[in-house]
Amino acid sequence: DIQMTQSPSSLSASVGDRVTITCRASQNIDNQLYWYQQKPGKAPKVLIYAASSLRSGVPSRFSGSGSGTDFTLTISSLQPEDFATYYCQQSYTSWTFGQGTRVEIK
Amino acid sequence: QVHLVQSGTEVKKPGASVKVSCRASGYTFSNYYMHWVRQAPGRGLEWMGIINPNTSGTSYAQNLQDRLTMTRDTSTSIVYMELSSLRSEDTAVYYCARDLGAPGVDYWGQGTLVTVSS
Repeated sequence: DIQMTQSPSSLSASVGDRVTITCRASQNIDNQLYWYQQKPGKAPKVLIYAASSLRSGVPSRFSGSGSGTDFTLTISSLQPEDFATYYCQQSYTSWTFGQGTRVEIK
Repeated sequence: QVHLVQSGTEVKKPGASVKVSCRASGYTFSNYYMHWVRQAPGRGLEWMGIINPNTSGTSYAQNLQDRLTMTRDTSTSIVYMELSSLRSEDTAVYYCARDLGAPGVDYWGQGTLVTVSS
């Protein structure tokens, strides 16, 4: 099974901050990587697919990069509605999610 | 308008089975694969498996494949997820989610809470 490791597990940030979350795969997954946002009590929402493609309707302050084993989600200027938990997920072989990164208000 | 509507909350005893349904509407049922994802209280997301509603073909997560069965009924546009030999660790919210292909999943059910407790 492919393991996905996110870091950090949580972070505190202020509105307007640039936030970076990383995700590492235990083996090469090419660009088969998604990023999700989940708010409490809600289903997750896809932000990024194919590692760097922005899903329709997602604000351009979200961006993704990386290929192979190392990936990054960046929020260029954190907004109040961005406080949530973020997950990476690989689809190279079946699916595996990372453990999540909670973004909290500083 | 696409909707995925799941069955209601379940409470089961250890060792029992649970069957959760996900009724699709607003699109051609057979054209989109469906995933099941679960989330234990306060925990992360766990992928369970996927079903092709057109062929009924399935693929399951390795750690669940001995206990998990996904089926579909094309006459009613419903997919089912049945998990057997339940244990306390199976307590979670279970979601169905429609697969759009490369862009990923787009619509999710509202979630079904399954509690396993003696």
